[in-house]
Amino acid sequence: DTGVSQDPRHKITKRGQNVTFRCDPISEHNRLYWYRQTLGQGPEFLTYFQNEAQLEKSRLLSDRFSAERPKGSFSTLEIQRTEQGDSAMYLCASSFLPDTQYFGPGTRLTVL
Amino acid sequence: SQELEQSPQSLIVQEGKNLTINCTSSKTLYGLYWYKQKYGEGLIFLMMLQKGGEEKSHEKITAKLDEKKQQSSLHITASQPSHAGIYLCGADPSGSARQLTFGSGTQLTVLP
Repeated sequence: DTGVSQDPRHKITKRGQNVTFRCDPISEHNRLYWYRQTLGQGPEFLTYFQNEAQLEKSRLLSDRFSAERPKGSFSTLEIQRTEQGDSAMYLCASSFLPDTQYFGPGTRLTVL
Repeated sequence: SQELEQSPQSLIVQEGKNLTINCTSSKTLYGLYWYKQKYGEGLIFLMMLQKGGEEKSHEKITAKLDEKKQQSSLHITASQPSHAGIYLCGADPSGSARQLTFGSGTQLTVLP
């Protein structure tokens, strides 16, 4: 059983650059979620997709953030004009219908 | 908005000892999830509780949801170094299963 995968695992970028992360959910899962986690805190919800439709977005998701799930399979999260405050672990999770969310290994972003 | 408070924030125990981690919600819990996280990695699903009074066990880990559905506890019996990590409780704030709200975690260290 292949779990949720995320790429890259680590990303170091300079302030002002754009970055894009990819998430591949468990194959039969139709729901996909993005979270952000900073050191010493629990994950914070960013956005949720059901199939290709983005149905919920947190107010944490500023206009510099955009997420897509074009064919209802993999998803991308893009951050434009990165800021040092964007440094965090970005976690993706998936589920089949309203059920347990299974998380990927995360992408750690460092903005210099 | 729903808030989850975990206690203690950190715990150091000797191998073989029992321990309990608590998670208290500011609102009624629709679903309560326990995850484990190794530093710098993704979340591993442990258990999910929905009904008041429910109790689930997996190997040496037992989780309970109180009758009023506002508090959960995670109990580890005869702890081992492999139990070390960060334990996170997460809750579905609206019952829609569109996002989870997490506590800030309990860091568990098990000394051999």
